Amino acid sequence: AQTVTQSQPEMSVQEAETVTLSCTYDTSESDYYLFWYKQPPSRQMILVIRQEAYKQQNATENRFSVNFQKAAKSFSLKISDSQLGDAAMYFCAYTGANSKLTFGKGITLSVRP
Amino acid sequence: GAVVSQHPSRVICKSGTSVKIECRSLDFQATTMFWYRQFPKKSLMLMATSNEGSKATYEQGVEKDKFLINHASLTLSTLTVTSAHPEDSSFYICSARSSNAGYTFGSGTRLTVV
Repeated sequence: AQTVTQSQPEMSVQEAETVTLSCTYDTSESDYYLFWYKQPPSRQMILVIRQEAYKQQNATENRFSVNFQKAAKSFSLKISDSQLGDAAMYFCAYTGANSKLTFGKGITLSVRP
Repeated sequence: GAVVSQHPSRVICKSGTSVKIECRSLDFQATTMFWYRQFPKKSLMLMATSNEGSKATYEQGVEKDKFLINHASLTLSTLTVTSAHPEDSSFYICSARSSNAGYTFGSGTRLTVV
């Protein structure tokens, strides 16, 4: 079975600074997708970024980028120029052949003004 | 983009009654929908996978007779919590797999059983 591990329960970053959220996963599949989702206090799940396993290039979306290390099964999220609105819970997630999303435990990110 | 509408957003019901939660894909056909339960500050726990026109597949430990799932059309899936008890109080979220391997989530339902 696939597992997703987010070992840091909380992190804090100063506004305008950069923060990296860690995620590792375990799978025997070769074709899969990885995601980072943001869940603000409203609890609406918002897709931040997606990475296809077969793509070597790291995905980027404006201030958000990932460091995808397939051999190490690592998928970290870097948030640049952090903003107050980035404060939320962030979940790393995996999906493979069975189409089910497997989530990590999540990390609560706070942004200091 | 793909939109999933979930209703109601909040519901309070008396112990022993049943509550239905609806999840609709508004601009795409969702052959598969997923239902999750989430406790405060915790991750999403997959309860079941809902397939249009067939029986739902429940995760281990989820009572299928308590959490009835129906997926009667390509745009609608419902979760009915039957004979609700206070321990069923939680946040329930649906999601649908849209095109290109994307997943779209509903806005969630906060259920309180009193």
